[in-house]
Amino acid sequence: AQKVTQAQTEISVVEKEDVTLDCVYETRDTTYYLFWYKQPPSGELVFLIRRNSFDEQNEISGRYSWNFQKSTSSFNFTITASQVVDSAVYFCALSEAEGNNDMRFGAGTRLTVKP
Amino acid sequence: DTGVSQNPRHKITKRGQNVTFRCDPISEHNRLYWYRQTLGQGPEFLTYFQNEAQLEKSRLLSDRFSAERPKGSFSTLEIQRTEQGDSAMYLCASSLGSFQAAFFGQGTRLTVV
Repeated sequence: AQKVTQAQTEISVVEKEDVTLDCVYETRDTTYYLFWYKQPPSGELVFLIRRNSFDEQNEISGRYSWNFQKSTSSFNFTITASQVVDSAVYFCALSEAEGNNDMRFGAGTRLTVKP
Repeated sequence: DTGVSQNPRHKITKRGQNVTFRCDPISEHNRLYWYRQTLGQGPEFLTYFQNEAQLEKSRLLSDRFSAERPKGSFSTLEIQRTEQGDSAMYLCASSLGSFQAAFFGQGTRLTVV
């Protein structure tokens, strides 16, 4: 069965620091998809990125970057020069192509960025 | 607003009552998902639809829960004989197909007293 582990329950940084949120996943499928979502205090989950299992290229989008490593089953998320508006709960999720097709979420990491 | 819309936003009900939530997905999205989220946890999958067909139901979805998506448009989630353990945020999401990014609504917060 698919499983997503976000070992960091809470992280607190000071503005402008870089921070990495860890995500480790388990799956028996060779084809799968990984996602990151942000849940700000307002509560609505916001899609950040989707990555398929055949694409191990790292991705950068502004201050956000993602490091996908199949060898360690990890899909980590780094925020560079963090800002107070980055404060939120961040979720990693996994969807298996040969499984139930639904997204399974980790427990989330609460990031607090202090001014 | 062309995002996913959920109604009501909040619902307080007495234990034993039935409640129904509605979700209007993004119009061209053929997949619709229901999740439940409790405080401090990630969303837990409940069920999903491909158009009007309900393709998967989680074991979390007891017999008291039923979901429909008539005509493959909006969806309803009904909980019968509510229990205090049903108190949670119920999230709806939609996507353009398998493994595509799912876009979430703001959720319906259910409180069972």
